[in-house]
Amino acid sequence: SQTIHQWPATLVQPVGSPLSLECTVEGTSNPNLYWYRQAAGRGLQLLFYSVGIGQISSEVPQNLSASRPQDRQFILSSKKLLLSDSGFYLCAWGVQGARGTEAFFGQGTRLTVV
Amino acid sequence: GENVEQHPSTLSVQEGDSAVIKCTYSDSASNYFPWYKQELGKGPQLIIDIRSNVGEKKDQRIAVTLNKTAKHFSLHITETQPEDSAVYFCAASETRYSSASKIIFGSGTRLSIRP
Repeated sequence: SQTIHQWPATLVQPVGSPLSLECTVEGTSNPNLYWYRQAAGRGLQLLFYSVGIGQISSEVPQNLSASRPQDRQFILSSKKLLLSDSGFYLCAWGVQGARGTEAFFGQGTRLTVV
Repeated sequence: GENVEQHPSTLSVQEGDSAVIKCTYSDSASNYFPWYKQELGKGPQLIIDIRSNVGEKKDQRIAVTLNKTAKHFSLHITETQPEDSAVYFCAASETRYSSASKIIFGSGTRLSIRP
């Protein structure tokens, strides 16, 4: 069966520090991968999505970046965090099919920038 | 691009009553509409979905309806129970076979079931 791992679960970082969140998927190949951010009490904002290794589409211009160095690995990074980067970050994977793209989410990383 | 609006933002119902959450979408190319349930501190979980060639789908106490003409879709929960308390998200996406589908979410509804 497919599983998605996301870590760390919680993270407190000072303003201006770098960020690296990692997400890996097991049990499937060539998945679509997504990074979402959920601000407190808000909806899910799509940040990046990827159809394959090295292929990243950005939805929202910001100081975050994403990379996909391996088929089932998706990394969210920042060189210098801002206070506004605080939120709940969710990685998801999906597979194209006739029924549309279901998204399966990880457990999320709660990032607090102080 | 696609824009999904969801109402209400909060909903409180008596246990045993029904709850209805409504969403609208803007992109007529969207053809897949999933609903997710998010419990506190966890990632969202898919609970039911509907494709654009279907008007209604039911799974036990949960049903979804879709009106493609009006670009509306709704989630109906009957005989609500305490464990139904959570945040619910609607979403819309377009099936694409040559590239990834963007899955656009509504802003969420916090459902509380009163005992």
